[in-house]
Amino acid sequence: SQKIEQNSEALNIQEGKTATLTCNYTNYSPAYLQWYRQDPGRGPVFLLLIRENEKEKRKERLKVTFDTTLKQSLFHITASQPADSATYLCAPARDAGNMLTFGGGTRLMVKP
Amino acid sequence: DAGVIQSPRHEVTEMGQEVTLRCKPISGHDYLFWYRQTMMRGLELLIYFNNNVPIDDSGMPEDRFSAKMPNASFSTLKIQPSEPRDSAVYFCASRKGPGGELFFGEGSRLTVL
Repeated sequence: SQKIEQNSEALNIQEGKTATLTCNYTNYSPAYLQWYRQDPGRGPVFLLLIRENEKEKRKERLKVTFDTTLKQSLFHITASQPADSATYLCAPARDAGNMLTFGGGTRLMVKP
Repeated sequence: DAGVIQSPRHEVTEMGQEVTLRCKPISGHDYLFWYRQTMMRGLELLIYFNNNVPIDDSGMPEDRFSAKMPNASFSTLKIQPSEPRDSAVYFCASRKGPGGELFFGEGSRLTVL
C-alpha cells in the first residue's frame, strides 16, 4: 500500500541554523510533491510545489529537493528563525495529481 | 478574497446526534476536498468533488458519513449518528484546476461525548 513517512519526532534546532526535514514515500510515483506549514489550531498553508522532472526548487529561505529514485523529498529552511516553528507536512500527489495524500508531519522548534 | 470558510469552528455533541459541517470554497475553485485530522492518523482525505460532482469517496470511513455539494459555493459533511471516535478536526480545502496548491479553511473541531 502507498505510504508516506515523515519523522514523527520533533526537530529542535538553534536560530540561524539550517533545518532539514525528510519525506519518504513508497509504492507510488507522484507527478509532483507539495510542502505545507501548519500552525497550532490553523489549517495547513501551502509553501512549495516540486514536479517529478525538477531536482530542486527554491523560495526565499526555503529549498526543496525531489529524488524520484530514492523516493524522497528534503525540505530545507536556511537561517532559521523562531517564527519558523511549526509542523511541516509533505504531500505527494496521486491519481493524476488530483488527490493529495499527506504525511504525518514533522514538528520543527527553532530556539532563540 | 475571504478564503475557504468553514462552520462551525467548534462543535460539542453527544453520541448519537447528527452533526453537519459546512464549507464555502473560494469563488472560482472547481475542486473541493474534505479532510479529517487526528493525532493518531494525521490528515486523511475523506472525499473530493470536481465541479460539484463527488469523484472519490473511498476515504469516507463508513455509511454514517455523507457529503454533498449542491452548488459551486457550498458543501456539507454530515455524520449521523455521531460516535466518540469521530472526534477530530475536519478541514475543507479548495483548488482551481487539477493540480497546484490547496487552500484550507481553519477547520471544524468536533468533539463527540
